[in-house]
Amino acid sequence: KQEVTQIPAALSVPEGENLVLNCSFTDSAIYNLQWFRQDPGKGLTSLLLIQSSQREQTSGRLNASLDKSSGRSTLYIAASQPGDSATYLCAVRGSNTGKLIFGQGTTLQVKP
Amino acid sequence: DAGVIQSPRHEVTEMGQEVTLRCKPISGHNSLFWYRQTMMRGLELLIYFNNNVPIDDSGMPEDRFSAKMPNASFSTLKIQPSEPRDSAVYFCASSLGGNKGVGETQYFGPGTRLLVL
Repeated sequence: KQEVTQIPAALSVPEGENLVLNCSFTDSAIYNLQWFRQDPGKGLTSLLLIQSSQREQTSGRLNASLDKSSGRSTLYIAASQPGDSATYLCAVRGSNTGKLIFGQGTTLQVKP
Repeated sequence: DAGVIQSPRHEVTEMGQEVTLRCKPISGHNSLFWYRQTMMRGLELLIYFNNNVPIDDSGMPEDRFSAKMPNASFSTLKIQPSEPRDSAVYFCASSLGGNKGVGETQYFGPGTRLLVL
């Protein structure tokens, strides 16, 4: 059974810092991995999707990497801003299914 | 595009009442997903449809829950009878490409906050 773990559960950093959020999964037979952002009381916004054949994806200040063999993904946020404060969730999708398995998320606070 | 639309946004009901949540996926998307989010269990998939057909309903908690997708632009999630432990945020999401395919980003609606007293 696939399990997704995100560490740390919460993170507080000063504005301008570069930071890394971690995601690990137990079954390496994934189809893709997706990073989402969730603001309080809101839905999820997709940030990046990495197919199993890819190593990384970039969008602006965000870079997500995937090491399928070790069951790990990282989300790198460069030059963090207070507007980056949110909960970040990673989710993996197995082969032959549309089902996403989510981690519990990392709640990020960027202080001005 | 208006994105995934869910209604109602908030629902407060009493135990034993029937609750119906509604979802309109993004036009052209052929997969639709229902998720539930709680503090204890996080985000969990309840059921998903591909081309209006239920593909995986293994996450549906029990017979009190049912979901339908009568056409490509509408889906409902019904709880009957509702119980306090059903209190959660219910999200609907849609994607293009179905079970296989490349670039199948799931787009989420704003959610329905359900409180069962």
